[in-house]
Amino acid sequence: DIQMTQSPSSLSASVGDRVTITCRASQTIYRFVNWYQQKPGKAPKLLICDASTLQSGVPSRISGGGSGTDFTLTISGLQPEDFATYYCQQSYSIPLTFGQGTKVEI
Amino acid sequence: QVQLVQSGADMKKPGASVKVSCKASGYTFSDYYIHWVRQAPGQGLEWMGWIRPNDGGTHSAQNFQGRVTMTRDTSISTSYMELSGLGSDDTAVYYCARVTTDSPVNKNLGHWGQGTLVTVSS
Repeated sequence: DIQMTQSPSSLSASVGDRVTITCRASQTIYRFVNWYQQKPGKAPKLLICDASTLQSGVPSRISGGGSGTDFTLTISGLQPEDFATYYCQQSYSIPLTFGQGTKVEI
Repeated sequence: QVQLVQSGADMKKPGASVKVSCKASGYTFSDYYIHWVRQAPGQGLEWMGWIRPNDGGTHSAQNFQGRVTMTRDTSISTSYMELSGLGSDDTAVYYCARVTTDSPVNKNLGHWGQGTLVTVSS
């Protein structure tokens, strides 16, 4: 199975900050990585697929990058609605695997 | 619009089975794979498997093989996930999720049900 390692596990930030979350795969997954946002009591929401393709309706302050084994999710100009937990997921092979999550706190 | 509506919360005793439903609307049910993902309290996301509604084909994660059964009823656009031999570590929110395109290789979970809390307790 492909292991996905996210860092940090949590971070504190302020409105307006730029934050970057990293995700490392245990083997190359080319660009087959997705990013999800989850708020308490809610289902995850797909933000980015294929490393950098923003889903419809997702604000452009959110971006993704990377390829191979190292990937990033960046939020430029953090907004109050961005405080949540973020997960990466590899879509390269079955079983699908997720990172352990990064909680973005005020 | 695409909607996935799951069955309500359930409580089971250890050793029992639970069956969670996921009713789809807003698209052609048979065209898109459905995946099942669970999340234990305060924990991360764990993939359980997928079902191909077109023909009922399934694939489950090794952790759940022999314990999970995924089925569908195309007449009512509903997928089901049944987990047997429940233990306390199966207490979790169970989600169904639909992929973003009808490609058979798509594994991007773009539409999610609201989740079903399953509590296992004696």
